[in-house]
Amino acid sequence: KAGVTQTPRYLIKTRGQQVTLSCSPISGHRSVSWYQQTPGQGLQFLFEYFSETQRNKGNFPGRFSGRQFSNSRSEMNVSTLELGDSALYLCASSLWTGVTGELFFGEGSRLTVL
Amino acid sequence: KQEVTQIPAALSVPEGENLVLNCSFTDSAIYNLQWFRQDPGKGLTSLLLIQSSQREQTSGRLNASLDKSSGRSTLYIAASQPGDSATYLCAVQGTDKLIFGTGTRLQVFP
Repeated sequence: KAGVTQTPRYLIKTRGQQVTLSCSPISGHRSVSWYQQTPGQGLQFLFEYFSETQRNKGNFPGRFSGRQFSNSRSEMNVSTLELGDSALYLCASSLWTGVTGELFFGEGSRLTVL
Repeated sequence: KQEVTQIPAALSVPEGENLVLNCSFTDSAIYNLQWFRQDPGKGLTSLLLIQSSQREQTSGRLNASLDKSSGRSTLYIAASQPGDSATYLCAVQGTDKLIFGTGTRLQVFP
């Protein structure tokens, strides 16, 4: 059974650009959530999608957005990149909403903003 | 506001020792608590999930306990091995999001 797949694994952008990250959940999982991991702030919740609807959102500016497609695949977008957006972005999938289910994480997308 | 703390922040032990990693949280209104391990530069691997109604879960050499009333969870690792070296994270699930602890970096040397 394939795990959670995140693409791209590594990317380098410059300030002001935008980036789109993709996450394919485990087959049959309907919930996808996104997290940002930095050395200073640790792991922080970005948002969760369940059945194409955003269920919860963390405390991040509006530059961070996401969506989920009918096949449960999810994308997150960061616009007008800042140096502080450099981080490992992790996606997790769950059978049901993240509130009740066990989370399974992907390997992450490491974003470097220059 | 939920806060999750893990002690110790780092731990270095010889192979074969039994270990206890601690996780404390400030708000007992949780749905579940999950323990993860993270290898450098990698994603998170789920180790154990304890529902709020449960007291403990076991998987192989790992045992996790949960005491909601005191806001504590422990992860017990029996007979540690060099392959157990990683960062261990606990996370509590509230009504709207998962809150992660600060992590314990474990090194097991031969």
